Amino acid sequence: EVQMVESGGGLVQSGESLRLSCAASGFTFSSFSMNWVRQAPGKGLEWVSFINSIGDKIDYADSVKGRFTISRDNGKNSLYLQMNSLRAEDTAVYYCARGSGAGHWLIDYWGQGTLVTVSS
Amino acid sequence: EIVLTQSPGTLSLSPGERATLSCRASQSVGNNFLAWYQQKPGQAPRLLFYGSSTRATGIPDRFSGSGSGADFTLTISRLEPEDFAVYYCQQYSHSPRTFGQGTKVEIK
Repeated sequence: EVQMVESGGGLVQSGESLRLSCAASGFTFSSFSMNWVRQAPGKGLEWVSFINSIGDKIDYADSVKGRFTISRDNGKNSLYLQMNSLRAEDTAVYYCARGSGAGHWLIDYWGQGTLVTVSS
Repeated sequence: EIVLTQSPGTLSLSPGERATLSCRASQSVGNNFLAWYQQKPGQAPRLLFYGSSTRATGIPDRFSGSGSGADFTLTISRLEPEDFAVYYCQQYSHSPRTFGQGTKVEIK
């Protein structure tokens, strides 16, 4: 069974940093691209970042470019999101989401999410 | 950036009725790379369709997806109680990948 479990969320002050982790299981992690997608409380979905299976193609939404860094460790079946200079508008549930193939942009499975709250 | 506009915002229907959800793009979605997701309260989204009309694994055939170019539709032929949820479309042909704002299907 494909499973992703996010961790690292919490309450931080504006301007601080946080690192999210996503532990994947039930599939060959090194063969799939990965994404972070967020959802502000009561709002819709916003794609945040993408990394391909080997980590040499990375993409960000403009809203986080220069502040967030996505990375992965295929040996540990883990995905990460380093979030710096956090703002109130970054408050959201952050989902780890699997791409449908090595470099594919389609998202086919989602974790349950971790809540990040940024206090101003 | 491709903007996706979903309509209506809310659809109030009874179990057994037909639901028709629209997703319109601000420009043509290349290769019809348009997906639909279902999200229930407190849960992660679930993939329903990709490539506009290809049903994901385990999705019942009362759900259908159609459309091409910039105009896409999700249809639920007969609503079951478990189908009341929020539905999002997403394009994955251009970066940034963008989502529609969602259509809530609620019990009338």
